[in-house]
Amino acid sequence: EVQLVESGGGLVQPGGSLRLSCAASGFTFSDHYMDWVRQAPGKGLEWVARIRKKGNSYSTEYAASVKGRFTISRDDSKNSLYLQMDSLKSEDTAVYYCVRAAVVVPAAFDYWGQGTLVTVSS
Amino acid sequence: DIQMTQSPSTLSASVGDRVTISCRASQSISSWLAWYQQKPGKAPNLLIYKASSLESGVPSRFSGSGSGTEFTLTISSLQPDDFATYYCQHYNSYPLTFGGGTKVEIK
Repeated sequence: EVQLVESGGGLVQPGGSLRLSCAASGFTFSDHYMDWVRQAPGKGLEWVARIRKKGNSYSTEYAASVKGRFTISRDDSKNSLYLQMDSLKSEDTAVYYCVRAAVVVPAAFDYWGQGTLVTVSS
Repeated sequence: DIQMTQSPSTLSASVGDRVTISCRASQSISSWLAWYQQKPGKAPNLLIYKASSLESGVPSRFSGSGSGTEFTLTISSLQPDDFATYYCQHYNSYPLTFGGGTKVEIK
């Protein structure tokens, strides 16, 4: 069974930093592109970042709203995905989902974690 | 950036109704479109990929159609479990973007 379990969310002050983690199981993690998608309270879905697999040099893509502040990374030996969030703003407050892209790209998001809430507030 | 526009934003329907949700892309995305269902407090769930391919395990009452810039999600006979919010998403290019969502409510 595919499982994606996020952790690391919480309350942080504006300008602060937070690191989210996602533990993956039930599939060959290294075969998939992985993404982060967020959802502000009561709002729609917003794609945040993508990291490709080793064969694509672990290259990354970011939404303009987070570029230069967030860094996505992965550790295939630990089946884990990360999101380092720096210079946090109130508008970054959201539930952050760890998401798997289907193995054949271009790919839709075929599995989602349960999400972890990040609140940026003083 | 490609903008995804869904309509309507809210839809009131009864069990057994045929429901249609539209999604328009601001430029052609070929068939690189997915549909997701989200229930309150839960993560989204993939229903349709590549515009018309049904994800494994998804009931056959869900179907998708379209290509280029115009897409449709159809629920042939609405069931109680289908009251939720639906999102379209393109994956043609970066940034990946979602539509604003369509909430399907009980009439």
